[in-house]
Amino acid sequence: QKEVEQDPGPLSVPEGAIVSLNCTYSNSAFQYFMWYRQYSRKGPELLMYTYSSGNKEDGRFTAQVDKSSKYISLFIRDSQPSDSATYLCAMSAGEYGNKLVFGAGTILRVKS
Amino acid sequence: KAGVTQTPRYLIKTRGQQVTLSCSPISGHRSVSWYQQTPGQGLQFLFEYFSETQRNKGNFPGRFSGRQFSNSRSEMNVSTLELGDSALYLCASSPVGSNQPQHFGDGTRLSIL
Repeated sequence: QKEVEQDPGPLSVPEGAIVSLNCTYSNSAFQYFMWYRQYSRKGPELLMYTYSSGNKEDGRFTAQVDKSSKYISLFIRDSQPSDSATYLCAMSAGEYGNKLVFGAGTILRVKS
Repeated sequence: KAGVTQTPRYLIKTRGQQVTLSCSPISGHRSVSWYQQTPGQGLQFLFEYFSETQRNKGNFPGRFSGRQFSNSRSEMNVSTLELGDSALYLCASSPVGSNQPQHFGDGTRLSIL
């Protein structure tokens, strides 16, 4: 079983929809949680960075972390065709430098 | 502010050869990490360098190695290339200290024939 599980999709939604992306994990040592967006032929771009449990909002993006359930989410409001990309969750335990463990990535398609 | 720069963007090699990839981190960043991305395994951590020292290492064979220079630029080397080494190799940099957010370059696409 992988340390981080993420549904690869693809997830297809109409423009303007609210998108929910999720990851579950098994390692209770994870404390730092990130969401990256990756367009084709580009590197991952950092969207959200959170520590421990709680919510964080940045524009149309909201990240939620529930450490008791080992579950993290990214919500995208008012989705746009430009949001079409692969979304990767990543996390680290914090005590071993900067080693990130990634989910498989979810392919999102926003239809206009 | 310039982002993480990786060179070259594309490489084609044959089995048995070796290859060196280069990464220039964001100015002021001192930690550089390397990842391999493949369709089957996703993004996997290779190693991390900080102040010219390897601080962390993933589960890859010894054919994969790296180093960091005093200006924080980093190189990774893969020797005796195998077909399975075909992948996108990504470099990420972060500021001083652990658990700072990592910022990625656009990678080097390595194809092994």
